[in-house]
Parts: sequence; structure tokens; C-alpha cells
Amino acid sequence: SQQGEEDPQALSIQEGENATMNCSYKTSINNLQWYRQNSGRGLVHLILIRSNEREKHSGRLRVTLDTSKKSSSLLITASRAADTASYFCATGPGGYQKVTFGTGTKLQVIP
Amino acid sequence: DSGVTQTPKHLITATGQRVTLRCSPRSGDLSVYWYQQSLDQGLQFLIQYYNGEERAKGNILERFSAQQFPDLHSELNLSSLELGDSALYFCASSARGGGENIQYFGAGTRLSVL
Repeated sequence: SQQGEEDPQALSIQEGENATMNCSYKTSINNLQWYRQNSGRGLVHLILIRSNEREKHSGRLRVTLDTSKKSSSLLITASRAADTASYFCATGPGGYQKVTFGTGTKLQVIP
Repeated sequence: DSGVTQTPKHLITATGQRVTLRCSPRSGDLSVYWYQQSLDQGLQFLIQYYNGEERAKGNILERFSAQQFPDLHSELNLSSLELGDSALYFCASSARGGGENIQYFGAGTRLSVL
């Protein structure tokens, strides 16, 4: 089974609004990553947050990590139509163990 | 452009056939990963190679096999194909094999089994 579970499965918002998606995981992690996938394309890495970090920013992206709750959230501020995509979290246990992807949140930004 | 090249982009074949998908990782990356993505299954990890050696195995069927060659390119072989094997197959590469490594994805091979 997948390590990460994103919530909600789908989200539809108006352009300019903020989008928040959440990821929950089950076991201890060394880091957590977020990826974006445009329809039918390969995934693109967005941001990585380490287990000793609580918050990280990159442009319009803000990621938080709560290791006590085993959860992370991705906030996209001032969304644009071009942000329409699926977003996946990926957890890394560290060492040479593989990163595991969640089930994804499908975001639609309506112009 | 991620720097990861997958060929072919599209593949249409019949049940029972065998196909080979090819992946060239980013220059310098030692680790290659294969994923299957179908509409109802999400992104399923199949297998990982690191510098020619199998590093991790996921939900890979016995009918599927993979290898990474000395020049670090990788091939995924799918045999005795079934209708349910129709999916997008992605290859990704990373610098090393560890859990903090960012994966760079190719554009995928869309396999249609008729």
C-alpha cells in the first residue's frame, strides 16, 4: 500500500484563491517531497522538506510538516490556471530506501 | 526538460506480445526507477536500479523484468501482455539511490494493449 495519502482527492478553486492539500503518512521519514504532474506528463519535483524542518517556502508554495501527526500540507497561494495538475507527496525513510509516492490530489484552477 | 529520455512515446500492441521500454537517465545519475500509472491505480513503483544493481522492488509482476546496463540506461521488458497492462510507464532517475534524492521523471511511454 502507498505510504502517503493525499487529501482531498480532488479540489476545484477559482483563479486567485489559495489551494491547500494534505498528505498523511504512516512510518518515520527522513524527508517529504511534493511533486506536480500535468495531465499525462512526467512528475516534476516542487519542494523537499526534511524531518527536522517545520515549514518551507518556494515562490508561491508553502509546505509544512508535522512529524508528530505524520502529516504535511502544501499551500499554493494566488493560484493560476497553469497550476491545474495533480500533486503528489513522496516520503523518504532515508538511507538507501526508496521514496514512496502517495495517491495524489487533482487540482483544477478555474480561470 | 528533465534530462530523462524515454522511448518510445507510444506503443500499441496485442495481448500476449512482448515489448521493451527504454530509459536514458540524466547525465551522471546512477539510480533509475520504473513506475506504472493507470487510471485506477495511481503511481505504482515497480523497481529501482542503482549503478547496475537491483536496489528495490515494488509491485512488479513476474511477467515484467528490468535491467540497467553499464552505460546506465535501463530497459523494462513486459511479456505475455494483458489488457490490464495498458498504462503510462514512467522512468525516473536520481543522482544516488537514497531517500533524499530528488527524482527526475521522463515523459513516459503510453502502452496500449488491444
